[in-house]
Amino acid sequence: DVKVTQSSRYLVKRTGEKVFLECVQDMDHENMFWYRQDPGLGLRLIYFSYDVKMKEKGDIPEGYSVSREKKERFSLILESASTNQTSMYLCASSFGRNQPQHFGDGTRLSIL
Amino acid sequence: QKEVEQDPGPLSVPEGAIVSLNCTYSNSAFQYFMWYRQYSRKGPELLMYTYSSGNKEDGRFTAQVDKSSKYISLFIRDSQPSDSATYLCAGAEYSSASKIIFGSGTRLSIRP
Repeated sequence: DVKVTQSSRYLVKRTGEKVFLECVQDMDHENMFWYRQDPGLGLRLIYFSYDVKMKEKGDIPEGYSVSREKKERFSLILESASTNQTSMYLCASSFGRNQPQHFGDGTRLSIL
Repeated sequence: QKEVEQDPGPLSVPEGAIVSLNCTYSNSAFQYFMWYRQYSRKGPELLMYTYSSGNKEDGRFTAQVDKSSKYISLFIRDSQPSDSATYLCAGAEYSSASKIIFGSGTRLSIRP
């Protein structure tokens, strides 16, 4: 079974802090994704990566950056956290194009 | 208009009933279709993955795609209380099937 592990289930940070969310997958998947999930808005793609050191913007990249130094690890960075970034953040990975994505259990982030 | 639309529910049915969950989509280039199940405070879990039109069955679950009407369905037979969850439908184009477009989810409750 594919395992996608997100480092924290719950996180509370303050406005203006730099926040790191970490994600690790154990199936040698090429593609990794970061989403946020909000009630009524569904899943929205923030950034994705097709390979190490490669990244592409999703639908809502503003206020976020990512890092992929190793194939198995994909980090989401909130450069200066704001209250409107309070959300559930989900990481996913897939083997290649035309393959389904597998998700971690999410990090519920609160920005105070 | 969202690319993938689904009724948010909640949908409440008695145990043992047949459940029908539905989505519509607007992007005629979608070739791949998915259903995910999401339990409370967990990440989405892949249930069904289908290519183009037709039916796919897996145990008590049947996914149906009608590309002519841009309609996606998931049927659950002999529903169980453990099927209570939010169900997300999704579609993807062949050329960029790593980028999936999700519906907002339908909340399903199975009454014992």
